[in-house]
Amino acid sequence: KQEVTQIPAALSVPEGENLVLNCSFTDSAIYNLQWFRQDPGKGLTSLLLIQSSQREQTSGRLNASLDKSSGRSTLYIAASQPGDSATYLCAGIPIQGAQKLVFGQGTRLTINP
Amino acid sequence: DARVTQTPRHKVTEMGQEVTMRCQPILGHNTVFWYRQTMMQGLELLAYFRNRAPLDDSGMPKDRFSAEMPDATLATLKIQPSEPRDSAVYFCASGQGKGSVSAGELFFGEGSRLTVL
Repeated sequence: KQEVTQIPAALSVPEGENLVLNCSFTDSAIYNLQWFRQDPGKGLTSLLLIQSSQREQTSGRLNASLDKSSGRSTLYIAASQPGDSATYLCAGIPIQGAQKLVFGQGTRLTINP
Repeated sequence: DARVTQTPRHKVTEMGQEVTMRCQPILGHNTVFWYRQTMMQGLELLAYFRNRAPLDDSGMPKDRFSAEMPDATLATLKIQPSEPRDSAVYFCASGQGKGSVSAGELFFGEGSRLTVL
């Protein structure tokens, strides 16, 4: 059964720092991977999708990469801002689990002004 | 502005009552998912549909939960009878899947927060 681990579970940093969130899968056979952001009491907002033929995606200050051989993904946030405070979740579709997006528990990020 | 719409946003009910949650996926999306989120379990997949056909509902307690897609613009999740342990936030998500594996980029609704007393 595919399991997803996100490290760290919580992170608090001062504004302006660059930071990295990590995500790993027990089964490295990932078809594609998506990073989401969730604000308290809200739904999930899609940030980046890395499709099967890709290794990374960038959107503004965000960059996500996927190493399929190791089943690891990182989300890099540059020049963090207080508005980046939220819970970040990664989710992957394992090749053997057609369309079943499997989620990690998330990293709760706090950016201090 | 295309978005997934869920109703109701909040529901408080008593144990034993029937609860129906509705979802309008993004127009043109062919894959719909139902997830449940709790503090203890995180996000759990309950069921998903492709082109309105149920592909997997193994995550649902079959004796009380049912999911349907009466048409391409409506997905429903019903709990009958409801129990306090069903209290959670229920999310609907939709995507445009290609082939047999990918659901494409998933877009989530704001969720239905259910409290069963």
